[in-house]
Amino acid sequence: DGGITQSPKYLFRKEGQNVTLSCEQNLNHDAMYWYRQDPGQGLRLIYYSQIVNDFQKGDIAEGYSVSREKKESFPLTVTSAQKNPTAFYLCASRPGTLLYNEQFFGPGTRLTVL
Amino acid sequence: GDSVTQMEGPVTLSEEAFLTINCTYTATGYPSLFWYVQYPGEGLQLLLKATKADDKGSNKGFEATYRKETTSFHLEKGSVQVSDSAVYFCALKTWTGGATNKLIFGTGTLLAVQP
Repeated sequence: DGGITQSPKYLFRKEGQNVTLSCEQNLNHDAMYWYRQDPGQGLRLIYYSQIVNDFQKGDIAEGYSVSREKKESFPLTVTSAQKNPTAFYLCASRPGTLLYNEQFFGPGTRLTVL
Repeated sequence: GDSVTQMEGPVTLSEEAFLTINCTYTATGYPSLFWYVQYPGEGLQLLLKATKADDKGSNKGFEATYRKETTSFHLEKGSVQVSDSAVYFCALKTWTGGATNKLIFGTGTLLAVQP
């Protein structure tokens, strides 16, 4: 089945530790995105990537880093510099055609920093 | 900048009631508009979309019409079911002429349908 996989579903870390969230897609999509979801705030864009080996900061990139070494993978690292890392993180992807509008979302990872 | 405003929840309805969730937007250019649904503990799923003025998106009994004159994209369903309980997000994408394809989301509206 084609889709987007995020693992793990729940993740717990101690304050001050870096943590990497996985996002894999087998849809052959060119573009991939990371969003953060907090209660009552909707989704906010962290980073996005249009093609392999290229990525851009979104609206709230501080304290996060990404890589895009393979088309199907777009891992997100939450660093110790992120002041409020506890949130629900969503990965999305989209075909490369510019006129294709919608994004396809993974199931999300809920990160809790203790 | 571009933005989406949707009605605050929660919206609580009885089964078979009529649903309206309001969504208005501010955007330059000619945005595409979307409704996404998020069931508890899951990611977002595209519910419906409209890409130009007067288009009506529809899916699973839900409908929304792209109204350019009122900059609105209200979500409606004639008879809700308990299984429709979820958070609904209105979103837009504007055509910037470049390669980006960023979605701007509203804050979400929680719908709770009681049997």
